[in-house]
Amino acid sequence: AQKVTQAQTEISVVEKEDVTLDCVYETRDTTYYLFWYKQPPSGELVFLIRRNSFDEQNEISGRYSWNFQKSTSSFNFTITASQVVDSAVYFCALSERGLAGTASKLTFGTGTRLQVTL
Amino acid sequence: DAGITQSPRHKVTETGTPVTLRCHQTENHRYMYWYRQDPGHGLRLIHYSYGVKDTDKGEVSDGYSVSRSKTEDFLLTLESATSSQTSVYFCAISAKRGDTGELFFGEGSRLTVL
Repeated sequence: AQKVTQAQTEISVVEKEDVTLDCVYETRDTTYYLFWYKQPPSGELVFLIRRNSFDEQNEISGRYSWNFQKSTSSFNFTITASQVVDSAVYFCALSERGLAGTASKLTFGTGTRLQVTL
Repeated sequence: DAGITQSPRHKVTETGTPVTLRCHQTENHRYMYWYRQDPGHGLRLIHYSYGVKDTDKGEVSDGYSVSRSKTEDFLLTLESATSSQTSVYFCAISAKRGDTGELFFGEGSRLTVL
């Protein structure tokens, strides 16, 4: 069975600090997909990124970057120069590739609450 | 924004009563999902649908049933609500390719069972 572990329950940083959110996953499949979602205090879930298991290139989007390492089964998320608006719960998720045309069932970690203060 | 609407957004009910949550999408996506979110558990899959009248169980399906009579609507029913079903329920839809696509979520329905 697949599993996602986010060991950091809560992180507090001061604005402009860099912060890394850890995500470790377990799967027996060789083809799988990893995701990050953001849940701000308003409660909605916002999709941030999807990465497939064959693409280990790191990705950068503005202040956000993701480090995917298959060797350590990790998909970590770094926010550079954090801002108060980054305060949210962040979820890492894993989806195994099923048969073509089957549903994409995501398994989520328990989330990391990030608090950015002035 | 993905066109997903959940109703009701908030509901308080008593133990033993039936409850139905509705998810409506305007995207014509094939795949729809119900998740529940609880502290310390993240989001857990309850049921999902891969087409009209085609549904299957997720990891926490006990006490829940679903129905999908048309593409745009996916209903989650608690036949006899219990306090352990107090939670925030999220509906989600998949983009076109259900086996690789990210999920887009509704705004959530907060259910309190007294």
